Amino acid sequence: EVYLVESGGDLVQPGGSLRLSCAASGFTFINYWMAWVRQAPGKGLEWVANINQDGSAKYYVDSVRGRFTISRDNAKNSLYLHMHSLRPEDTAVYYCAREVLNHILEDYYADFWGQGTLVTVSS
Amino acid sequence: EIVLTQSPGTLSLSPGERATFSCWASQSVNSNYLAWYHQVPGQAPRLLIRGASTRATGVPGRFSGSGSGTDFTLTISRLEPEDLGLYYCQLYGRSPPYIFGQGTKLEFK
Repeated sequence: EVYLVESGGDLVQPGGSLRLSCAASGFTFINYWMAWVRQAPGKGLEWVANINQDGSAKYYVDSVRGRFTISRDNAKNSLYLHMHSLRPEDTAVYYCAREVLNHILEDYYADFWGQGTLVTVSS
Repeated sequence: EIVLTQSPGTLSLSPGERATFSCWASQSVNSNYLAWYHQVPGQAPRLLIRGASTRATGVPGRFSGSGSGTDFTLTISRLEPEDLGLYYCQLYGRSPPYIFGQGTKLEFK
């Protein structure tokens, strides 16, 4: 069974930094794109970033580009989100998700999600 | 940049009724790029439909997706109590970011 378990969420002051982690199990981690999706309190879902299988390709939503860095350690079956220069508007539950992005078969979706970790940016 | 608009904002129905959720794209998109998710408040989203019309593994047959171009629909033929919550469409493709619609809330009368 696929499991994704996020950790690292915390209360942090504006301008601060935080690193989120996602531990994956139950599937061959190196075979999949992975993503971070966030949800501000009472709001909808926002795709934040993703990374390809070997970490050579990374993409970000404009609002976090230059402040957030996505990375992965395939030896540890782990995904990370390094967040810097945090703003109050970054307050959200951050979900780790497994993505299927197959341009040949034209299959695109996020099929497994973790339960999320809460990041609160406030003074 | 493509925008996804979902309607209605809230759907108030009774168990056993039919539910229809709409998702409009601001420009024509490849239907293979369109996914639907269900989220119970306080829980993670769950994939329902991929490629506009293919049910994800384990999703009951009462869920169906359709549409093409700019107009997409998620239908639940007969509502069950566990279907409460929020429903989101998402647009994938060859170029991120992969945007979501703003969501439709399903509540029971």
